[in-house]
Amino acid sequence: DGGITQSPKYLFRKEGQNVTLSCEQNLNHDAMYWYRQDPGQGLRLIYYSQIVNDFQKGDIAEGYSVSREKKESFPLTVTSAQKNPTAFYLCASSELSPGYNEQFFGPGTRLTVL
Amino acid sequence: GQNIDQPTEMTATEGAIVQINCTYQTSGFNGLFWYQQHAGEAPTFLSYNVLDGLEEKGRFSSFLSRSKGYSYLLLKELQMKDSASYLCAVLMTTDSWGKFQFGAGTQVVVTP
Repeated sequence: DGGITQSPKYLFRKEGQNVTLSCEQNLNHDAMYWYRQDPGQGLRLIYYSQIVNDFQKGDIAEGYSVSREKKESFPLTVTSAQKNPTAFYLCASSELSPGYNEQFFGPGTRLTVL
Repeated sequence: GQNIDQPTEMTATEGAIVQINCTYQTSGFNGLFWYQQHAGEAPTFLSYNVLDGLEEKGRFSSFLSRSKGYSYLLLKELQMKDSASYLCAVLMTTDSWGKFQFGAGTQVVVTP
């Protein structure tokens, strides 16, 4: 079955620690995205990547870093510089072609920083 | 700047109809998507509109007016399982294909 996996589903970390959230897709999609969702707010774009070894900052990239060494993988690191990291993190992927570009989402990782 | 507005919450009874409005002002437009999201889960795709008019898909329909920057999602014959958040998202035309702007979501509560 094709899809997007994120692990773990729940993650707890102490303040000041870096943490890496994984995202893997086997849909052969070129584009991958990381979003953050807070209660009562829409999805906010952290980083996105259209091609291996290239990525761009989204609207709230400060305190986060990513890599795209393989087409199917797009891990997100939440660094200690992120002031309020507790949130629900969603990874998504899509085709890259003009027109219809539905985004497919992973199940999400809920990060709680203690 | 980019702006997508939708109501925060709507309540309706089982079997009824609910219409969720979405207005947008974005720097580009390449289509409007509606997603359903149950609490703690990933959003799932419901509908896509890129031309003006109504798209019908079973109990769900979505309408778009590009000149007015307006869309709505119509949920008919509401069921308890339709209780969820509904996200309006605009696919923006930028130099980077696939960049979305999401609304904050409308929480729909279906009561017996």
